[in-house]
Amino acid sequence: EDKVVQSPLSLVVHEGDTVTLNCSYEVTNFRSLLWYKQEKKAPTFLFMLTSSGIEKKSGRLSSILDKKELFSILNITATQTGDSAVYLCAVVLQGAQKLVFGQGTRLTINP
Amino acid sequence: EPEVTQTPSHQVTQMGQEVILRCVPISNHLYFYWYRQILGQKVEFLVSFYNNEISEKSEIFDDQFSVERPDGSNFTLKIRSTKLEDSAMYFCASSPRTNTGELFFGEGSRLTVL
Repeated sequence: EDKVVQSPLSLVVHEGDTVTLNCSYEVTNFRSLLWYKQEKKAPTFLFMLTSSGIEKKSGRLSSILDKKELFSILNITATQTGDSAVYLCAVVLQGAQKLVFGQGTRLTINP
Repeated sequence: EPEVTQTPSHQVTQMGQEVILRCVPISNHLYFYWYRQILGQKVEFLVSFYNNEISEKSEIFDDQFSVERPDGSNFTLKIRSTKLEDSAMYFCASSPRTNTGELFFGEGSRLTVL
């Protein structure tokens, strides 16, 4: 069974801290890994990672994929209260339409 | 910025009733999806739709579920006879390309079955 596991499930930090969110996967026929941010309702797309070792960056957020060890990390530096959300990791399989999601990491940034 | 819109935002229904959830995908997108999220659980794939037919569906998407694109803009999910366990947030999504994972999600329709 295809599986995506995120850790930690919940994280509370102070504004300005740096956080690292983890996503590991065990799937058949991996194609790509995605990160989404879910604030109140709709997940919004952050990154898509297909190749190992290539960092994707957007402002204070960055992510990297390790296809040998089957995991990805999402880093957020200089966190702000607006970063508070559930961060979802999902995997796309070759030849498939669906995303397989992890259970999410609930990140809370306290002022 | 174009967005996926869903209606209703919240629906309460009695067990056994039919429910239709509506979605308007982004206009130039070709691939459409329904996902659901039971409270406190993972987002789960239900079905994908392309060229007016289902391209993939999950085990959850049994005979009680159907999808339709009746008029070229709306994309609907019908649950024929709702069960308590159908209570969830249902997300519609669309994408311009297949198999990339870059989906644009709507705000969701919360379904509560009593």
